[in-house]
Amino acid sequence: AQSVTQPDIHITVSEGASLELRCNYSYGATPYLFWYVQSPGQGLQLLLKYFSGDTLVQGIKGFEAEFKRSQSSFNLRKPSVHWSDAAEYFCAVGAGSGGGADGLTFGKGTHLIIQP
Amino acid sequence: NAGVTQTPKFQVLKTGQSMTLQCAQDMNHEYMSWYRQDPGMGLRLIHYSVGAGITDQGEVPNGYNVSRSTTEDFPLRLLSAAPSQTSVYFCASSSQGAAGNQPQHFGDGTRLSIL
Repeated sequence: AQSVTQPDIHITVSEGASLELRCNYSYGATPYLFWYVQSPGQGLQLLLKYFSGDTLVQGIKGFEAEFKRSQSSFNLRKPSVHWSDAAEYFCAVGAGSGGGADGLTFGKGTHLIIQP
Repeated sequence: NAGVTQTPKFQVLKTGQSMTLQCAQDMNHEYMSWYRQDPGMGLRLIHYSVGAGITDQGEVPNGYNVSRSTTEDFPLRLLSAAPSQTSVYFCASSSQGAAGNQPQHFGDGTRLSIL
């Protein structure tokens, strides 16, 4: 069964500083990987996804993520954070076989705090 | 465009009561699913459907029933609410009927408290 680990429960970053959120996955085949963001009291919004091809994917709001098969990682990055980036971030993996019957498996989330 | 609409947004129940959480999408998506979100647990899949008339269990299905009579609607039923079902519930949909290889579109959630 697939699994996702987000090692950092909380991360605090100064506004304007760079950001990297870590995500490690476990899956036997080629994974489909996602990053979602959740603002307080809101649903989840897709930031970016990786299915195949270029391992560096660009998303919305200036985010990018890099798929590293050798490290089973899909870390999320942003060069300069804004106060509006404060939110909960979830990494998720989907079954890559096309059957996909089990839906998405989510990590437990990383809470991002932006300090002035 | 509405996307995925969940009702109600908030609900308080007493232990043993029944209730249906509604979910509707207007994107003609085949795949729909229900997740629950608990502090420190991320989102966990309850039930999903790959099309009208087809449903299956996810990771945490106990205590919940679903049906899918139309493409648009995927209600989640609690037959006898328990305090352990206090959570925030999210409905999601995606295209092409395969759960894992398409982005999920999420509703805004239903915050449910069981006393």
